[in-house]
Amino acid sequence: DIQMTQSPSTLSASIGDRVTITCRASQTISTWLAWYQQKPGRAPNLLIYKASSLQSGVPARFSGSGSGTEFTLTIDSLQPDDSATYYCQHYTAYLYTFGQGTKLEI
Amino acid sequence: QVTLKESGPALVNPGQTLTLTCTVSEFSVSALGTRMGWIRQPPGKALEWLARIDWNDDVFYNTSLRTRLAVSKDASRNQVVLTVTNVDPVDTATYYCAQIQAERTNSGWLSWFAPWGQGILVTVSS
Repeated sequence: DIQMTQSPSTLSASIGDRVTITCRASQTISTWLAWYQQKPGRAPNLLIYKASSLQSGVPARFSGSGSGTEFTLTIDSLQPDDSATYYCQHYTAYLYTFGQGTKLEI
Repeated sequence: QVTLKESGPALVNPGQTLTLTCTVSEFSVSALGTRMGWIRQPPGKALEWLARIDWNDDVFYNTSLRTRLAVSKDASRNQVVLTVTNVDPVDTATYYCAQIQAERTNSGWLSWFAPWGQGILVTVSS
C-alpha cells in the first residue's frame, strides 16, 4: 500500500506569515492528492483536489502544488482562523490513504 | 444545500456489532455516479478510511478491516449504513460519512471526499 507522510507534524506561525506543509508519497502518484482542513471538534473540509485545484468557496490564500511523490500545501497571509490540523489524502485502486496530519498553531 | 448526518449509538459494549446510519439530503444515494464513504478518527489521531459504496452497490473496504465491515444503502430512506462487527475499545472514534467525488483522467480515477457529515463519537467500553 502507498504510505503518505506529512511534515512537519506541528507548525507554529504568526499572522501574516506564509506557511508550507509537505506530503510525501511512498511511490509516485501523479497528481492524485487532496488536502483537508480540520478544526477542533469539526469534520474535515476539502481545500484542494487534484493536487492544485481549489475547492469552491475556499479562500485563494490556500494553494496546492506538486506531482509524483512530493506535494505542498501553501497558505499565504496567515489568518487566525487558519489554526487547524491539515491532512493530505490519496486514492488509488479503490483504497484511500490519509497522511498523519499537520497541526498549525497561530 | 447538501447535508449528511450520522446517527447511531454513542456507547457500544466490546464484542458487539456497531451499526451507523448516514442520512443524506439534496441528492440520492442511488443516483448514477453517486459514491459514499465512511471515515473514522480515534480521539487525537489521524483520519482512517473504512468503506465506500457506489450507486450500483459496488462496495470497497479498508484492507485491514474488511472482515469486520459491511456497508449498504437504503434507497427508500436515502441512507447509507455501516456495520462494524466484534468491536473493541480501539474502535472508539468519531465516525464520519462523506460523499465521494471522482474524476476520470487519462491515467485513472481521482477521488476525494466532499462534503462530510458532522460525525458521531462512538465509545466502545463495558
